[in-house]
Amino acid sequence: RKEVEQDPGPFNVPEGATVAFNCTYSNSASQSFFWYRQDCRKEPKLLMSVYSSGNEDGRFTAQLNRASQYISLLIRDSKLSDSATYLCVVNEWGGGNKLTFGTGTQLKVEL
Amino acid sequence: GAVVSQHPSRVICKSGTSVKIECRSLDFQATTMFWYRQFPKQSLMLMATSNEGSKATYEQGVEKDKFLINHASLTLSTLTVTSAHPEDSSFYICSARPVSLYNEQFFGPGTRLTVL
Repeated sequence: RKEVEQDPGPFNVPEGATVAFNCTYSNSASQSFFWYRQDCRKEPKLLMSVYSSGNEDGRFTAQLNRASQYISLLIRDSKLSDSATYLCVVNEWGGGNKLTFGTGTQLKVEL
Repeated sequence: GAVVSQHPSRVICKSGTSVKIECRSLDFQATTMFWYRQFPKQSLMLMATSNEGSKATYEQGVEKDKFLINHASLTLSTLTVTSAHPEDSSFYICSARPVSLYNEQFFGPGTRLTVL
C-alpha cells in the first residue's frame, strides 16, 4: 500500500466547474498535510496547508479527516490556469520532517 | 523571499560520466536540504536528507556511493551522480528548509538529467 494515495486522473472539467480531489495516507503518526501544485516539467509549489478545522484560500478549500486519514481539496469556479497536477503531501515530523508525496492528480480545465 | 536555485537546469551527458548539481538557498540559511528524484508520470521520491556539516541520510534503496551529497555551508548543497547511466535520467529537485521554519520546505526549479 502506498503511503499517500491519490486518483491520478486526469480530471477534465469545463471552465467554471467545481472539482474535488481526495487523498488518503497510511501513517497515522503524520503531523502536517499540504496540497502542492506542479506544472509540467516544473518544481512543486505549495498551494496550501491543510488543517483539521478545514481552511479556505479564495477558490480553494482543503479538509482533513484524521480519523479516516483522508484529505481533500475543492476547487470552485475552475480557471484554465488551474490546469496542473495536484500533489497531496504528508509530513512526518518524527522522521526528520520528511515530506511524502502522492503521485498527484492531473486536472485539465477546458473551455 | 525564500528562493532556492538549482544549477544546471538541464544537463545531457554520456554514460559513465559524473554530473554535479548545485542547490542554493539565495536569501535564507538552510540547515537541512532535501534531494528528490521524479521519473515521468511518477511522484517525487525523497533520495536523501542533507544536513549542513554532517553526512547525508539516504533513503532505502538509494546508493550513497553513487549519489554523493555534500552540504558544506548553510546555503549550498551539491548532489553528484557518479558514473551516470541511462536509468539515472530523471528530474532531480532539491528543497531547503529555513533555519527558522521547521515545517516548511522551499523547492528549487529542478535539474533535468539525460544520460545518453
